[in-house]
Amino acid sequence: DAGVTQSPTHLIKTRGQHVTLRCSPISGHKSVSWYQQVLGQGPQFIFQYYEKEERGRGNFPDRFSARQFPNYSSELNVNALLLGDSALYLCASSLHGGETQYFGPGTRLLVL
Amino acid sequence: AQSVTQLGSHVSVSEGALVLLRCNYSSSVPPYLFWYVQYPNQGLQLLLKYTTGATLVKGINGFEAEFKKSETSFHLTKPSAHMSDAAEYFCAVSKQGAAGNKLTFGGGTRVLVKP
Repeated sequence: DAGVTQSPTHLIKTRGQHVTLRCSPISGHKSVSWYQQVLGQGPQFIFQYYEKEERGRGNFPDRFSARQFPNYSSELNVNALLLGDSALYLCASSLHGGETQYFGPGTRLLVL
Repeated sequence: AQSVTQLGSHVSVSEGALVLLRCNYSSSVPPYLFWYVQYPNQGLQLLLKYTTGATLVKGINGFEAEFKKSETSFHLTKPSAHMSDAAEYFCAVSKQGAAGNKLTFGGGTRVLVKP
């Protein structure tokens, strides 16, 4: 079975631009979570969605938004990019949100 | 609020030697505890998890961890290091059974294996 997939794998943007990252969960999983991992640090929680509803939000500015689609895939959107948004963005899926989370390979975003 | 502290950002071990990675957590409710491994330029792979029941948990690649409530610890061990164990390891905590449940990670421990 396919694991969590994310696209694109790498992305280069300039300050002020907008970016959309995509995630497809493991088949049968209804919850998707997003994490930001800055170089040299542990991942930080951004959002969790379950059945298209936001179930949790981390301490990130309103420039960050997300949504989940009827097929349980998800998008993470970041507006007005800052240099500090450069990071590995990880998507994780789980059955209902309260159990083990399985991670995708991540999207590496570089903001110049 | 939950938090995780991993002692030692870098650990160097010889091939065949014991690997010991330390993790202490803080949680006001019974926790779920996890260890994940991250190889260079990759995502996180689940090594093992503690939810309820037996406090000694065995995972993949010969790793195991013991949940000690009295010490609020969940240290990861492997009896004999292999070159392929060189990676970064993250300890994480979440709340038991809570929907909308986030993982809170430690800062990670990078393991170097010397031949």
